[in-house]
Amino acid sequence: EVQILETGGGLVKPGGSLRLSCATSGFNFNDYFMNWVRQAPGKGLEWVAQIRNKNYNYATYYAESLEGRVTISRDDSKSSVYLQVSSLRAEDTAIYYCTRRTRSSEFDYWGQGVMVTVSS
Amino acid sequence: DIVLTQSPVLAVSLGQRATISCRASQSVSISSINLMHWYQQKPGQQPKLLIYRASNLASGIPARFSGSGSGTDFTLTIDPVQADDIAAYYCQQSRESNTFGAGTKLELK
Repeated sequence: EVQILETGGGLVKPGGSLRLSCATSGFNFNDYFMNWVRQAPGKGLEWVAQIRNKNYNYATYYAESLEGRVTISRDDSKSSVYLQVSSLRAEDTAIYYCTRRTRSSEFDYWGQGVMVTVSS
Repeated sequence: DIVLTQSPVLAVSLGQRATISCRASQSVSISSINLMHWYQQKPGQQPKLLIYRASNLASGIPARFSGSGSGTDFTLTIDPVQADDIAAYYCQQSRESNTFGAGTKLELK
C-alpha cells in the first residue's frame, strides 16, 4: 500500500523558515518524480515544486511565485522528499501536500497534508 | 503560464448529469496526448485523482465519472450524480509545468 506522510508544519513568524518532510512507503521511490502542492485556507490548489529522480539528474522545478524562497530535495535512501521554505509571509499560510507524479504526469497519490501558519 | 478556467459553482440534482468544464489558455495536448487531469476534493481531505490524460479513469474510481476533450477544452462528467459526489473538482495541466484550475464546487439544487 502506498503511504505518504508529511511532517514539519506549524506556526512560524513572518520572515522565518521551515523545512517540511514527506516520508513515503509502499512503492519504489527511486522511480518517481515527487511534488509539493499547497492550498491556502478556503482556496484552490497551487503547485509548488517538483524533483525528478536520479535518471533525470534530480532536476528541480518551482512555481514562479515561489522561486528563490523554496528548495525541494530528496533522499532516496529514506524514500523521503523535503521542502525548505524561507522568508515566510502570511500568504504562505496553507496546507502543504506531498504528492507522487506518475509517468503519465498526473498526481496519483497524495499525503494528508501538513498545515503551515505564518503569523506574528 | 497556462491558465485553466473553471466555473466556480455547479448546482445539480441527485440522479442527474453534472458536466464540469475546464478551459486552458493554450493547448495542453501533444500529438494525441491530452495532458489534462481531474481531481475530487472533499472538505478536510486531500485531493483524489479521478481522471488522467483527459479520459482515463483512475484506479478504483466509479464508472459514473468520465472525462473528455482535447486541445483547450475539457469536460468532467458525473452521471448520475450521487450524494457522495458533492465536493470540489479541480482540473490540472501538465503540458507546461503544472497548474490547477480554481476549482468547481458541485452543489445540490
